[in-house]
Amino acid sequence: SQQGEEDPQALSIQEGENATMNCSYKTSINNLQWYRQNSGRGLVHLILIRSNEREKHSGRLRVTLDTSKKSSSLLITASRAADTASYFCATAYNNDMRFGAGTRLTVKP
Amino acid sequence: DAMVIQNPRYQVTQFGKPVTLSCSQTLNHNVMYWYQQKSSQAPKLLFHYYDKDFNNEADTPDNFQSRRPNTSFCFLDIRSPGLGDAAMYLCATSRAETRNIQYFGAGTRLSVL
Repeated sequence: SQQGEEDPQALSIQEGENATMNCSYKTSINNLQWYRQNSGRGLVHLILIRSNEREKHSGRLRVTLDTSKKSSSLLITASRAADTASYFCATAYNNDMRFGAGTRLTVKP
Repeated sequence: DAMVIQNPRYQVTQFGKPVTLSCSQTLNHNVMYWYQQKSSQAPKLLFHYYDKDFNNEADTPDNFQSRRPNTSFCFLDIRSPGLGDAAMYLCATSRAETRNIQYFGAGTRLSVL
């Protein structure tokens, strides 16, 4: 049931650096979403990018989508220790939504 | 304000002892979902309700059942929990017309002893 695959599986950076996470998928999509999950908590929706969009920004988040390569990236700029979490991409097609296994981001103060 | 509320946050049960997890929503969404998420893995959809219509995923074990007595509440029943059922269980809701925009609760972490 997993659709997206994130890479890297784990990423460790220093506070202030940028973090880039990638998601690849295999089938058609209507949109692709990124979620954040703090340890032991539920998923928080971060950003949605539609299949006809190429880039989207929200605060320190920048998401790109390349449907020809079936891939998306999430960039977090000027990272903070509070950004430490797991980040999941989810692909949506019609009424179906599937998650990848996530990237575990650690931001060291 | 909490919109999708899951209770309890942590649940401990014994091997084989039935357990029920609960989810409520204040969004008045038609669709409610239950996901299972094991450590460091993707959330896996177990089933969803579209109003009172129950939709089971093909690979969801029979051990997992669900009830939706009204729009606001949905329950996950695990009839005979095994050690392999220890996981985070996530409830989500969506509008019928935008099913791929889902709102998640904080989850219930289930331990099986």
